[in-house]
Amino acid sequence: SAVISQKPSRDICQRGTSLTIQCQVDSQVTMMFWYRQQPGQSLTLIATANQGSEATYESGFVIDKFPISRPNLTFSTLTVSNMSPEDSSIYLCSASWTENTEAFFGQGTRLTVV
Amino acid sequence: DAKTTQPTSMDCAEGRAANLPCNHSTISGNEYVYWYRQIHSQGPQYIIHGLKNNETNEMASLIITEDRKSSTLILPHATLRDTAVYYCIVRVRETSGSRLTFGEGTQLTVNP
Repeated sequence: SAVISQKPSRDICQRGTSLTIQCQVDSQVTMMFWYRQQPGQSLTLIATANQGSEATYESGFVIDKFPISRPNLTFSTLTVSNMSPEDSSIYLCSASWTENTEAFFGQGTRLTVV
Repeated sequence: DAKTTQPTSMDCAEGRAANLPCNHSTISGNEYVYWYRQIHSQGPQYIIHGLKNNETNEMASLIITEDRKSSTLILPHATLRDTAVYYCIVRVRETSGSRLTFGEGTQLTVNP
C-alpha cells in the first residue's frame, strides 16, 4: 500500500488568510484527489489532480478558492484561499496508482478558521 | 457515477459475521464496486473492490449479485475494532472520471 503524509496535521487560521496543505506519497501515483469532510458528515470530493493536466473540480468548488498544484507523481498541494469560518473542516488527500487500483488516504488536515 | 444506497446504521455482536448491504441499481458495465471504512478521526481505509466476481481478502469478502445491482460486504468475525462507518462506492474504470464519490455510508457498531 502507499503511505500518504499530509502537512500540517492541524492548524488554526485567521479569516481572510490562506493555507496551503501539502500531500506527499511514498510512491509514484497517477491520480490524486482532495476531499473535504465537515463535522459529522461524509467526504466531499473537491477535485482530482492528475499529473500533467489541470485539476478537475467538482460542482461547487472553484480554482480561485481551492487552487491545486501537482508538480510531479508523488506530490500535490491544496490551498484554501481567503478563508472564512465555513471553511473549517478536515481536508483529506487521496492517491491511486491507476483507475483499477485502490485509493489510499492521508490522515487529514484539521483546519479551524477563527 | 452510479448512486449507492446503504442502511444508515447496523449493529453486530462481537465474533459474529457482519453483513453490510449496498444497492447500486444504476451501475454501469464500466464501474467497479469499492468498499471503504472510516474509523473515527482517521482517514478512510480501503477494504476491498470488485467488478462482477466475488472477492475475498484478509479483511473481508465481497459478494456481488449476478445483475450487479447490489452487493454485500461480509466481515466474517467482527471485532470491536471493526466499529466504523462503511462506505460502498462505485467507481468508473477509465482514468478520466475515475474518482471515488462517497455517500453517507453505514455506521456499523460491534457490541461486546
